[in-house]
Amino acid sequence: AQKVTQAQTEISVVEKEDVTLDCVYETRDTTYYLFWYKQPPSGELVFLIRRNSFDEQNEISGRYSWNFQKSTSSFNFTITASQVVDSAVYFCALSESGGGADGLTFGKGTHLIIQP
Amino acid sequence: DAGVTQSPTHLIKTRGQQVTLRCSPISGHKSVSWYQQVLGQGPQFIFQYYEKEERGRGNFPDRFSARQFPNYSSELNVNALLLGDSALYLCASSRSGGPSNEQFFGPGTRLTVL
Repeated sequence: AQKVTQAQTEISVVEKEDVTLDCVYETRDTTYYLFWYKQPPSGELVFLIRRNSFDEQNEISGRYSWNFQKSTSSFNFTITASQVVDSAVYFCALSESGGGADGLTFGKGTHLIIQP
Repeated sequence: DAGVTQSPTHLIKTRGQQVTLRCSPISGHKSVSWYQQVLGQGPQFIFQYYEKEERGRGNFPDRFSARQFPNYSSELNVNALLLGDSALYLCASSRSGGPSNEQFFGPGTRLTVL
């Protein structure tokens, strides 16, 4: 069965520090998709990135970067020079291509607090 | 373009009652999924619908049911409410519902069962 683990329940850093959010996943499929979502206090999940299992290239988008390593089943998310507006709960999620429900399996989330 | 919309925003019910939650997807999206998010946890998949057909179901009891209409909007019904059904119910839409599709989420309906 698929599973996503976000071991960091809460992280608190001071503004402008770099911070990395960890995500470890389990799946039996060879084709799968990994996602990161941001959930600000308003509650609406905001899509950040999607990665398929065949693309291990790291990605950078502004202050955000993602490191996908199949060898360790990890898909970590780094925010560089964090800002107060980055404060939110961040979820890593997995979707498998094979049978099953086709829904997203989410981790429990990491609550990121950026202090001014 | 409007995002995913959900109604109502908040709802208070008592145990044993029934509730209907509504969702309108992004224009052009044909798939709707429902998730339950209990406080402090990640969302859990309940249903996915595509072209009015149920495509997938998560590990939820038969008290939970849903449907999708010809205009692709969707309703989630929960019967015989339990205290444990108190949660944020999120609706997400995607173009085709495949596992690679980004799902775009609505603001959710906060259900409180007393």
